[in-house]
Order: sequence, then structure tokens, then C-alpha cells
Amino acid sequence: AQSVAQPEDQVNVAEGNPLTVKCTYSVSGNPYLFWYVQYPNRGLQFLLKYITGDNLVKGSYGFEAEFNKSQTSFHLKKPSALVSDSALYFCAVRDSIDQTGANNLFFGTGTRLTVIP
Amino acid sequence: NAGVTQTPKFQVLKTGQSMTLQCAQDMNHEYMSWYRQDPGMGLRLIHYSVGAGITDQGEVPNGYNVSRSTTEDFPLRLLSAAPSQTSVYFCASSWLAGSGELFFGEGSRLTVL
Repeated sequence: AQSVAQPEDQVNVAEGNPLTVKCTYSVSGNPYLFWYVQYPNRGLQFLLKYITGDNLVKGSYGFEAEFNKSQTSFHLKKPSALVSDSALYFCAVRDSIDQTGANNLFFGTGTRLTVIP
Repeated sequence: NAGVTQTPKFQVLKTGQSMTLQCAQDMNHEYMSWYRQDPGMGLRLIHYSVGAGITDQGEVPNGYNVSRSTTEDFPLRLLSAAPSQTSVYFCASSWLAGSGELFFGEGSRLTVL
């Protein structure tokens, strides 16, 4: 079974400071990992993904994420937070050995990031 | 390029009524799916499809029906609405090949009284 945990419902960070949004996962095979961002009253927007290769993945809007296989984590990071980064962030996983052949993603419960001016 | 289009954006139903949420994509994606988003529960998969004529159940399929007669459209039907189906519904699509990151619609907010 696949699952994702986002241990923090809320993360507050001062503008200009680095930010981290945490995510851990569980899959049977190798993970395909994703981060999405949701602004108020909007759909989810893709930020970045890890499939294979370099453990540090760079994505949109200056975000990056680090894949750590031993800790089964995929934390989202940004060196310098902007007020406009305030949004709801979702981590998602798909198992590489998903027998359905579909692209079903399993999502965490989301972390609300607030960047304080 | 419209991407994934959902209608209606808002709907209020009475218990027992039926309705259809529409979803259309213009990216020729084979895979389409419906999720519901509830506070504190993230997104949960309702139904999905890997191509025209093929549908399957996700995590929370009860009370919902889907069909996929064309590649572009994937409507979600509520057969007899219940207050527990009050939620925000998202349609998503992707190509099957590759990593399959999803493209999402803007959502449909449904309230069942």
C-alpha cells in the first residue's frame, strides 16, 4: 500500500528565511514523488517531481526537494521565502510497481505555509 | 490551450438529488481521474480511467458513478446526493507514459443540504 505523511499542518516562516515543508512516504517498490501547490480557490499546480537520479530536485518558483531513501523522506525547500509563497502544499507518491497501470497519486493531508512579511 | 475544464464551479443540492460534474481536457491525455478534497484529509481518489471505455474505482467510490465515452470527457455522477458528499471535487489528467504528473482543473465546490 502507498501512503504519504505530512506531519505539519501549518508552517510559518519569516520572509527571506529558508523554508522546509516535510513529507515522508511509504511504498512497496520505488517511489515516484511529487509536490503540488494550491492557492486559494484554485486547483493544484505541479511544482516538482523525483523519479530517479539526483536526489536533489529543482522545480518551479525556486523550490527544490531532497529525496532521502533511507529516511523515506522528500522534504520541500526554498532558500529564501516570499510572501507570495503562502499557500497549501501537498506531497504525493506513486509506486513504481503499481499494478493498475494507472497514474494514481496518493496525497498527503497538506501543509499550509504562511510567509510573514 | 484550456487544459482541464470543470463545470460547474459551485453547486448546491438537496439530499437525494442527482447531478453530474463535468470534466474535459484538451491535451489528449489517456489518464483521467476524480479526487475529492476535504479539510484535514487531503485529496482522495474517487474513480479513474486509463482510456476511453475503461474506468475503475479509487479509494472512495461509493455514491459516485463515472463513464469515459471519449478521450476528452470524464463526467462524475452523484446518484443520490448525501451531506457527506459536501466537498470540493477536482478532475485531473495526465499522459500514461513517463512519470505521469497530473494536471488539475480548478475544482467544483459542492454543498449538499
